[in-house]
Amino acid sequence: EDKVVQSPLSLVVHEGDTVTLNCSYEVTNFRSLLWYKQEKKAPTFLFMLTSSGIEKKSGRLSSILDKKELFSILNITATQTGDSAVYLCALSHTGTASKLTFGTGTRLQVTL
Amino acid sequence: DVKVTQSSRYLVKRTGEKVFLECVQDMDHENMFWYRQDPGLGLRLIYFSYDVKMKEKGDIPEGYSVSREKKERFSLILESASTNQTSMYLCASSLLTASEAFFGQGTRLTVV
Repeated sequence: EDKVVQSPLSLVVHEGDTVTLNCSYEVTNFRSLLWYKQEKKAPTFLFMLTSSGIEKKSGRLSSILDKKELFSILNITATQTGDSAVYLCALSHTGTASKLTFGTGTRLQVTL
Repeated sequence: DVKVTQSSRYLVKRTGEKVFLECVQDMDHENMFWYRQDPGLGLRLIYFSYDVKMKEKGDIPEGYSVSREKKERFSLILESASTNQTSMYLCASSLLTASEAFFGQGTRLTVV
């Protein structure tokens, strides 16, 4: 059975801290790994990673995939209260429709 | 911008009722998905469709059915609602071979 595990399940940090969120997986064949941010409503897309070792960056967020060790990390530097959300990791399967298998998510709370 | 619209934000239904959750997307996407999201379990795939009138079971299809009569619309049907179907339901869509899925705002369904 395909498995995506995120850690930690939740964490609380102070504004300005740097955080690293982890996503490990046991999926034999997949197209890409995706990160989403979910506040109160719809998950919104952050990154898609297809190649190992190539960092993707968007402002204070960055992510990298390690296909050999079967994990990905999402880094957030200089956190702000607006970063408070659930961060979801998902694997996109090969084959028809590219369905996604999600991890349980990491709930991040950034306090003042 | 891609827009995925779910017909209701909140629904309360009685046990045994037949429930319809509607989802419409406006970007001509081939793929459409229904997930449910529960605390500690993350997003789990119920059904998906990659073409009109085509449907495939996801990981937890029991107690649900779907309908896709038009490309832009994907309906989730609870044949006889039960209390264990109380959950947040998220619809998503994507291009046929694309990994990135776009989500609707979610429908929080409570079955009493």
